[in-house]
Amino acid sequence: QKEVEQDPGPLSVPEGAIVSLNCTYSNSAFQYFMWYRQYSRKGPELLMYTYSSGNKEDGRFTAQVDKSSKYISLFIRDSQPSDSATYLCAMGFTGGGNKLTFGTGTQLKVEL
Amino acid sequence: DAMVIQNPRYQVTQFGKPVTLSCSQTLNHNVMYWYQQKSSQAPKLLFHYYDKDFNNEADTPDNFQSRRPNTSFCFLDIRSPGLGDAAMYLCATSRGSVAGPDTQYFGPGTRLTVL
Repeated sequence: QKEVEQDPGPLSVPEGAIVSLNCTYSNSAFQYFMWYRQYSRKGPELLMYTYSSGNKEDGRFTAQVDKSSKYISLFIRDSQPSDSATYLCAMGFTGGGNKLTFGTGTQLKVEL
Repeated sequence: DAMVIQNPRYQVTQFGKPVTLSCSQTLNHNVMYWYQQKSSQAPKLLFHYYDKDFNNEADTPDNFQSRRPNTSFCFLDIRSPGLGDAAMYLCATSRGSVAGPDTQYFGPGTRLTVL
């Protein structure tokens, strides 16, 4: 079993839809959680990070962490074609040697 | 703007011909990482430097080496590239926080093709 599981998609939604992207993890030591966006043939770009259970909002993006269920989500409101990309979750823990464990990424396509 | 720069963006090499990829950063971060990413896969950490301390992942092949001559630059050397080494190579940096999230910032990547 992988430490971090993420549905690869592809996920196709109409413009304006609410998108839900999810990851599950098995290592209860993970303390902080990040979401990266990766456009085709580019490097990952940090979107958001959270350090505790609950919600964190930044514009159209909301990151949600449920440590009891080992489940994290990224919600995108009013999705735009420019949101079309692969979304990678990543997680780490203090004392983890500055390393992150990544999911495989979910490919999202927002269609006009 | 502070950033992570990778050169070249595209690299073509021949089977067995050594190749060097370069990364530089203006963020003054302590940690620099090299990842390998193949299509539809998670980035795979090859190794990282915390300052001058080199940390190799257990499953990184000996074919891959790295150098960090100073804070700003880090190089990935592939001594004898095989067809299976064709991938996107990502460089990332972080402050090296020991308490709290140690956010990594990525460069644009170098896409390596092996003929």
